[in-house]
Amino acid sequence: LAKTTQPISMDSYEGQEVNITCSHNNIATNDYITWYQQFPSQGPRFIIQGYKTKVTNEVASLFIPADRKSSTLSLPRVSLSDTAVYYCLVGRTGFQKLVFGTGTRLLVSP
Amino acid sequence: GAVVSQHPSRVICKSGTSVKIECRSLDFQATTMFWYRQFPKKSLMLMATSNEGSKATYEQGVEKDKFLINHASLTLSTLTVTSAHPEDSSFYICSASQQGEAYDTEAFFGQGTRLTVV
Repeated sequence: LAKTTQPISMDSYEGQEVNITCSHNNIATNDYITWYQQFPSQGPRFIIQGYKTKVTNEVASLFIPADRKSSTLSLPRVSLSDTAVYYCLVGRTGFQKLVFGTGTRLLVSP
Repeated sequence: GAVVSQHPSRVICKSGTSVKIECRSLDFQATTMFWYRQFPKKSLMLMATSNEGSKATYEQGVEKDKFLINHASLTLSTLTVTSAHPEDSSFYICSASQQGEAYDTEAFFGQGTRLTVV
């Protein structure tokens, strides 16, 4: 399982774009990159997943460079409700046991 | 996406008693489920891997006799905290995945169970 490194915390304001970068230097060929969001006292919630280049859904975009050693989660125009912890995970997350890193605690202020 | 449900969402028990937490995959079959615990402001820590029809695999440092895991069907895994003590108070979370190669890239998490031992 590839180890991931993320900033421990980030601050932003409502309406701004937030980019959270995750390093995963030891990513394997078959590994996917998955981001989860967790609110206090709730289980993690799937945000987005990608293998290479760019993936976009209704809530976020995921940018993955060609070497796949890092990835960036982009949250457009954040709101107060985006305050949460964001986890980057690498692997075949369906069947592998997941090793959670520290996650990034995002605080969105008015 | 698939739904994983945990029950109860929160429980308070007395020291020395046992508590059972259920994890159900509501609309899919899961041969493998995972149990995590999470302390306040900390990350999720894997406790064990629950395999349907076989013994669970515990992570290093997790007492298998204290945290009993039973995965008797393809939709249900249970975690029993035996002889609970205040230090077992934590947030317990399960995850499950659908069968099949096409589904092995996403894990679905339950909403978690807040256990408080008094």
